Amino acid sequence: NAGVMQNPRHLVRRRGQEARLRCSPMKGHSHVYWYRQLPEEGLKFMVYLQKENIIDESGMPKERFSAEFPKEGPSILRIQQVVRGDSAAYFCASSPRWENTEAFFGQGTRLTVV
Amino acid sequence: EDQVTQSPEALRLQEGESSSLNCSYTVSGLRGLFWYRQDPGKGPEFLFTLYSAGEEKEKERLKATLTKKESFLHITAPKPEDSATYLCAVQAAAAGNMLTFGGGTRLMVKP
Repeated sequence: NAGVMQNPRHLVRRRGQEARLRCSPMKGHSHVYWYRQLPEEGLKFMVYLQKENIIDESGMPKERFSAEFPKEGPSILRIQQVVRGDSAAYFCASSPRWENTEAFFGQGTRLTVV
Repeated sequence: EDQVTQSPEALRLQEGESSSLNCSYTVSGLRGLFWYRQDPGKGPEFLFTLYSAGEEKEKERLKATLTKKESFLHITAPKPEDSATYLCAVQAAAAGNMLTFGGGTRLMVKP
């Protein structure tokens, strides 16, 4: 049973470009969460999605950031017009049910904006 | 606002020297308290979920306990491979499924 798969593991973008981060949840999991870990800071919640629905995006910056979890395919976190402050590790977690008693994390995507 | 504070920020132990990591929290209605282990460059690895005061869970050399204000992660006779950052997170009843994380404790176990 494969774990949560994130790709790419490392992503380098120039300022102003777009970054697309992908997350495939564990088999049987239909709930996906995105977190961001800035250098020397803790993990911060960004968004919670179920298939085709955004449930909670209270941690998502209002501009340039968007997330989706289509009926088919992985969840995508999209960052438009990246800036240096977007450099961070982005982690995806998934759980099998709403209660989220065990959220399993992927290995993360490390975004570097140059 | 839900808050999680972990102490100490860093802890150096000799192999075999038992100790405890602290996680203090304030939350409006605790649904669950989570412990994770994170190795450098890796994602958090799930360890435990605790739901109510007085609950305890064990896994190998680790034991997690919970009170109404804090949780402890006890490490008995640690080994160098236990070196990692240990993260504590809370899930509030009113906050949906999001986890609020503490800053972590970086544990280093020397042989």
